[in-house]
Parts: sequence; C-alpha cells; structure tokens
Amino acid sequence: DTGVSQDPRHKITKRGQNVTFRCDPISEHNRLYWYRQTLGQGPEFLTYFQNEAQLEKSRLLSDRFSAERPKGSFSTLEIQRTEQGDSAMYLCASSRRGQATNEKLFFGSGTQLSVL
Amino acid sequence: AQSVTQPDIHITVSEGASLELRCNYSYGATPYLFWYVQSPGQGLQLLLKYFSGDTLVQGIKGFEAEFKRSQSSFNLRKPSVHWSDAAEYFCAVGDGGSQGNLIFGKGTKLSVKP
Repeated sequence: DTGVSQDPRHKITKRGQNVTFRCDPISEHNRLYWYRQTLGQGPEFLTYFQNEAQLEKSRLLSDRFSAERPKGSFSTLEIQRTEQGDSAMYLCASSRRGQATNEKLFFGSGTQLSVL
Repeated sequence: AQSVTQPDIHITVSEGASLELRCNYSYGATPYLFWYVQSPGQGLQLLLKYFSGDTLVQGIKGFEAEFKRSQSSFNLRKPSVHWSDAAEYFCAVGDGGSQGNLIFGKGTKLSVKP
C-alpha cells in the first residue's frame, strides 16, 4: 500500500495554457475523487469515478475541466485555457467501494497549480 | 442547501490543555458528518465520522465528537492536546451517496503552544 500518488506536486503555467494532472490511487481502490482547495477554504468536490465510469460531477465545474479514468486505475484531470482563478491545490482521493458506513477515503498530497 | 460552518478560523491552545473545535451544519435530513485533519505537506486524514446510532463518536489520535441534532452541531474534542496535533481541521457533511461527495467547512487552524 503505497498511498495515493499525485503528479506533479507543483505546476506553474501561463493563463490560457492547458494543464493535466495525474492521480494514481491505492491499488484495487475502485473509487476515485477529485477536489479543488483554494487558500483559506475547505476542499470542494469536483468529480468522482467508480472504476472507469464518471458517476458524479459538480454542477459548479466549468466545461474547461475534464477528467478521465480510462482503465479504472489512474486518473487525469485536465484544465483547458487556464485562468488565474484556477490557481488552487487539486486533491485526489481513493477508496474501496463498500457499504457507505465502511467506505474510507485516502487522500494524496495534491498538485498545487499557479496560473500567472 | 447543505452547508458547514466552522466559526473559529484559528485556535491556539497550550500543550496538555483540552480542545474543542466547533462545527455547525445545515442539512435537511439526518446528515453524515466527518472530521478530517490536514497537516502541512500531507493529505487529508479522516479522524472520525458519524452516520447513526451513538451520538458520541470516537476517532483516531484520541479525538471524539458529539452529534447534537437540536443544535445542528458536531464539535470535535480532545482532552489533552499534543504538539503533533497542530494542523488544520475540517468538518464535512455528506448525504451518504458516496463518502467523497462532501461539503467541507473552511477549516480551523490549530496551533499548540509548548
């Protein structure tokens, strides 16, 4: 059990560029979640996958954001045409689907995005 | 709409003193409630959660929380704080559909004085 891994740890980009982040969940965890956390705020749910299926997506999420989990293992989060307001920590978490009362999320350390 | 309020942005306590972090929620039905801790450079870690049953919930690292429906509160407590407890603490509410679709509060930063 190596934990949830996110890459890169830091990303600096210019406004208008596209960026992609990767999340490797704990092996055999079939649920994967993405969150965004800005300074002074709690994490904000973005989307989640069960295996390769994207089951929920925040209604607040811009169309410039897209996430994939093609083989039900790692996931990528892409932001197109980045804006300064996209600057945030992007967190990934994974869990093993089971009874709701037993599910436990494990979080990665996040990718810090700075849009100049 | 669901919401979570953590009234205290920053709290400082002396090592060995007791701790209570406040959390109030707004939710139409019986909520699923969580407390997470975030240390610098580390991922969020679940301290405890409440789904139903006993309103006093025990968690890891000596933390406990009490669900009070009449006050819409889920306050986190620890009888004796250690320097390693310094971190940011987040309260969250969910509807149980998936444990990850949560509404988080803005967090309370805990500092511990020696």
